[in-house]
Amino acid sequence: KAGVTQTPRYLIKTRGQQVTLSCSPISGHRSVSWYQQTPGQGLQFLFEYFSETQRNKGNFPGRFSGRQFSNSRSEMNVSTLELGDSALYLCASSPGTPSTGELFFGEGSRLTVL
Amino acid sequence: AQRVTQPEKLLSVFKGAPVELKCNYSYSGSPELFWYVQYSRQRLQLLLRHISRESIKGFTADLNKGETSFHLKKPFAQEEDSAMYYCALSRNSGNTPLVFGKGTRLSVIA
Repeated sequence: KAGVTQTPRYLIKTRGQQVTLSCSPISGHRSVSWYQQTPGQGLQFLFEYFSETQRNKGNFPGRFSGRQFSNSRSEMNVSTLELGDSALYLCASSPGTPSTGELFFGEGSRLTVL
Repeated sequence: AQRVTQPEKLLSVFKGAPVELKCNYSYSGSPELFWYVQYSRQRLQLLLRHISRESIKGFTADLNKGETSFHLKKPFAQEEDSAMYYCALSRNSGNTPLVFGKGTRLSVIA
């Protein structure tokens, strides 16, 4: 099976712009979770989707949003980018509930905000 | 709210020495606990989970509810164990996201 695929792998934006990141989960996986990874804070939970419904949301401002499509692919969007949004954004998929199963991570999308 | 604390940002040990990566959690209910590992230039991946009580790559971890800890141990460190290790917790009730600690970088010195 192909692993979790994230695009783009690298991107550079300037403050005030917006960005959309994409995630294709492992075939058959219905749950997609997003995390922000930074050296100082580690992995911080953004949101989790299951069957096109957002089931959980982390403590991030409303500028961070996401969605999941009927084929389980997911996108996240960050509007009005700030310097502090520079991070590696990781997507992970699982067959069902993340808490009871293994999360399979993608390689991440590295966002740099100038 | 649940919280995971990994007190060491960096842990350096010599090859063949024992390793213990500390993880403490804060949660009043019944937790599910995991260790994830990220080797250089590889994806973050599950190492082991407490419920399976297994040993992976020589690593074990025991859930101590009294001390709210889930330390990762290996009796003899190998150079290939050098990586970033994350402890993660979820509520046993399900339908909750995994909460990760900030991670500990293990460096095994030859």
